[in-house]
Amino acid sequence: SQQGEEDPQALSIQEGENATMNCSYKTSINNLQWYRQNSGRGLVHLILIRSNEREKHSGRLRVTLDTSKKSSSLLITASRAADTASYFCATLFNSGNTPLVFGKGTRLSVIA
Amino acid sequence: KAGVTQTPRYLIKTRGQQVTLSCSPISGHRSVSWYQQTPGQGLQFLFEYFSETQRNKGNFPGRFSGRQFSNSRSEMNVSTLELGDSALYLCASSPDGSYNSPLHFGNGTRLTVT
Repeated sequence: SQQGEEDPQALSIQEGENATMNCSYKTSINNLQWYRQNSGRGLVHLILIRSNEREKHSGRLRVTLDTSKKSSSLLITASRAADTASYFCATLFNSGNTPLVFGKGTRLSVIA
Repeated sequence: KAGVTQTPRYLIKTRGQQVTLSCSPISGHRSVSWYQQTPGQGLQFLFEYFSETQRNKGNFPGRFSGRQFSNSRSEMNVSTLELGDSALYLCASSPDGSYNSPLHFGNGTRLTVT
């Protein structure tokens, strides 16, 4: 499968701690995106990182991309109960005009 | 701007019936994509429309079809429903159809087939 794979599948942390989620993929990409999904709702775009970028920040979010290892990580610092959600990576492959391919997500629980 | 609107929010259908789901993209967005989300398979791409033309199609049977209207609104239809079609169906829009643009998702239609 060309899907990105998130790791871990589930993560439970205390409020105030940092949360790190990883995404691995198999083929060359054009860009990689992270999305958040609250239970039963649609996905919300968080960050897009292009293949020639190594790191991007947005508020408490930090995304890194290592194309040599075909992996990305999403770090949420000083987590809050409201960060409880599923987080998905989505990859845009270099193969051509193909749509985003989503992984199966990491379920993050932040305990107050 | 209003977000992506999907209707209805919930649907319960019986095996063998057909169903039509609707999606109104963000104003000015010309690309609409549909995804099926299930606990076992995750998010699976169904199809994508840009300016009323289907640009890409996922690996789903012909029972799944869609279309896009001149105002960019989109519908998807599932005929001869099966139990396995129970899922959250998500619609997403983007402004120019470039796969380098983030997708804006609606809250989905939860379809239950009994």
